[in-house]
Amino acid sequence: AQSVTQLGSHVSVSEGALVLLRCNYSSSVPPYLFWYVQYPNQGLQLLLKYTTGATLVKGINGFEAEFKKSETSFHLTKPSAHMSDAAEYFCAVSEVRRGAQKLVFGQGTRLTINP
Amino acid sequence: IAGITQAPTSQILAAGRRMTLRCTQDMRHNAMYWYRQDLGLGLRLIHYSNTAGTTGKGEVPDGYSVSRANTDDFPLTLASAVPSQTSVYFCASSQQGGGNEQFFGPGTRLTVL
Repeated sequence: AQSVTQLGSHVSVSEGALVLLRCNYSSSVPPYLFWYVQYPNQGLQLLLKYTTGATLVKGINGFEAEFKKSETSFHLTKPSAHMSDAAEYFCAVSEVRRGAQKLVFGQGTRLTINP
Repeated sequence: IAGITQAPTSQILAAGRRMTLRCTQDMRHNAMYWYRQDLGLGLRLIHYSNTAGTTGKGEVPDGYSVSRANTDDFPLTLASAVPSQTSVYFCASSQQGGGNEQFFGPGTRLTVL
């Protein structure tokens, strides 16, 4: 079965600093990988995804992630944090069975931005 | 276009009562999903449906049932609620196949006393 581990349930950075949220996955087949963001009292919104092709994926709001097969990682980065980035971030790997794509989520990382 | 709507927004329920959470999408997606979100556990799949008329069990299906009579609606029923079912429930939908984005509803916050 596929699984996702997000290192650090809470990450705090200063405004303008680099954001790095770590995600490692396990999968027996080439994975589809996703990062979702959840703002308070809202549903999840897709930031970016990796399916095939270029391993550096750019998403919304200045975020990007790099798929590294050798490290089974898909870390999320943003060069300069903004106060509006404060949210919970979820990494997920896709498992396709009987035509249904089921997402397996990590436990989430809460990002706090300090002024 | 509304995307995915869920009802109710929140609910407090006595243990042992029956409850149906509603989910409707207007994107004509074939696949729909129900997740529960609990602190420290992320989101866990309860049930899913590839297409109208078919459903499947996810990671944590016990105590829950679903039906998919048409493309747009995917209700989740708790036949006899228990306190451990206190959670935030999210409905999602997507096109079938790997790599497709799942679109999430705003969630239903359920408290079982």
